[in-house]
Amino acid sequence: DQQVKQNSPSLSVQEGRISILNCDYTNSMFDYFLWYKKYPAEGPTFLISISSIKDKNEDGRFTVFLNKSAKHLSLHIVPSQPGDSAVYFCAASLNFGNEKLTFGTGTRLTIIP
Amino acid sequence: DGGITQSPKYLFRKEGQNVTLSCEQNLNHDAMYWYRQDPGQGLRLIYYSQIVNDFQKGDIAEGYSVSREKKESFPLTVTSAQKNPTAFYLCASSKGKGGGNQPQHFGDGTRLSIL
Repeated sequence: DQQVKQNSPSLSVQEGRISILNCDYTNSMFDYFLWYKKYPAEGPTFLISISSIKDKNEDGRFTVFLNKSAKHLSLHIVPSQPGDSAVYFCAASLNFGNEKLTFGTGTRLTIIP
Repeated sequence: DGGITQSPKYLFRKEGQNVTLSCEQNLNHDAMYWYRQDPGQGLRLIYYSQIVNDFQKGDIAEGYSVSREKKESFPLTVTSAQKNPTAFYLCASSKGKGGGNQPQHFGDGTRLSIL
């Protein structure tokens, strides 16, 4: 039972354009959502998070949007840069992220120079 | 520098052997976690510990064991009972219960292969 889904395994975007990564979830009890970025042979790096009481959180080039009624969140990266090429994981948790995270399967983002 | 150190980076195991993966953190975090990543899949939780001398099973605990004798250390043993141990293992830590924005921080992983 995949409670957090990233339906696009890969995405290619031109440098300078906007990258939009999507994530859907099924458990309405999730109250905290995170995005991680991962390079090969390294651990994931925390990017940005959002709690269920908000619908948007912005940090520099990264913005996360949450649509609770649709159980959908998205990560926008603008402008996209070559260093953004990586695998992006969406994760969700109960209790504001202080217990176990449930991860999606990841989306490989490739930025084309 | 504060962080999470996993060792070794690569580990090979013979059939029937137990192996232990090390995870140390100097972030003064209360909670620690072990995940497994397989190709094309997300991270799946093996075990987690929110406080010293206490730990809970995650979603795929069978064939694994852990201990939490010190706040800084959370070693994972992959036992011979784990039928498919080849994977990338990631350790993480977080400040633990307390509410608010306290994301998990990850080490760089250990890749375990069977000879």
